[in-house]
Amino acid sequence: RKEVEQDPGPFNVPEGATVAFNCTYSNSASQSFFWYRQDCRKEPKLLMSVYSSGNEDGRFTAQLNRASQYISLLIRDSKLSDSATYLCVVNRVTSGTYKYIFGTGTRLKVLA
Amino acid sequence: NAGVTQTPKFQVLKTGQSMTLQCAQDMNHNSMYWYRQDPGMGLRLIYYSASEGTTDKGEVPNGYNVSRLNKREFSLRLESAAPSQTSVYFCASSDRQATNYGYTFGSGTRLTVV
Repeated sequence: RKEVEQDPGPFNVPEGATVAFNCTYSNSASQSFFWYRQDCRKEPKLLMSVYSSGNEDGRFTAQLNRASQYISLLIRDSKLSDSATYLCVVNRVTSGTYKYIFGTGTRLKVLA
Repeated sequence: NAGVTQTPKFQVLKTGQSMTLQCAQDMNHNSMYWYRQDPGMGLRLIYYSASEGTTDKGEVPNGYNVSRLNKREFSLRLESAAPSQTSVYFCASSDRQATNYGYTFGSGTRLTVV
């Protein structure tokens, strides 16, 4: 089982739709969680950190469920420009060293 | 503000050739990282440098070496390239290892080994 798992998609949604992605992680000791966005043939860029109480940034809402070990990303009122791959990132602490583990990403296509 | 700069952007090597990928950041970050990204595999950590003067292996270090030349620069060397090293390589930096601010990535190097 992968340490961080995501549905690869693609999720094809019409403009204006609401779409949600989940990401599950296996290490219950993980403490830091992020969503990154990666456009085709570009570098990943931080979209938002995910906090325990959940957090919102405009049309984007991130939630953390520690009991079930998953994080989610909700995008409201989808725009064409939201088309990208969304990477889930979880930290792993080993002998005091922090490492970030990246999921393989969920592809979103927003259709006109 | 350039952020993280990687060179070259593209490279084709023959099996057995060597090359160095360069990375520099201008954000005064302490930690720097080298990842490779392959289809279906996600980003995998090759080597990292938690602070100037230190380097450590990541998940997939075999076939690579690194040098943290100073606080700004972190290079990745392939001594004898193999087709399995065909990938997209990303350098990243962060103010420290444990951070809620994530990493800043360079634009990547697309390497093909033939």
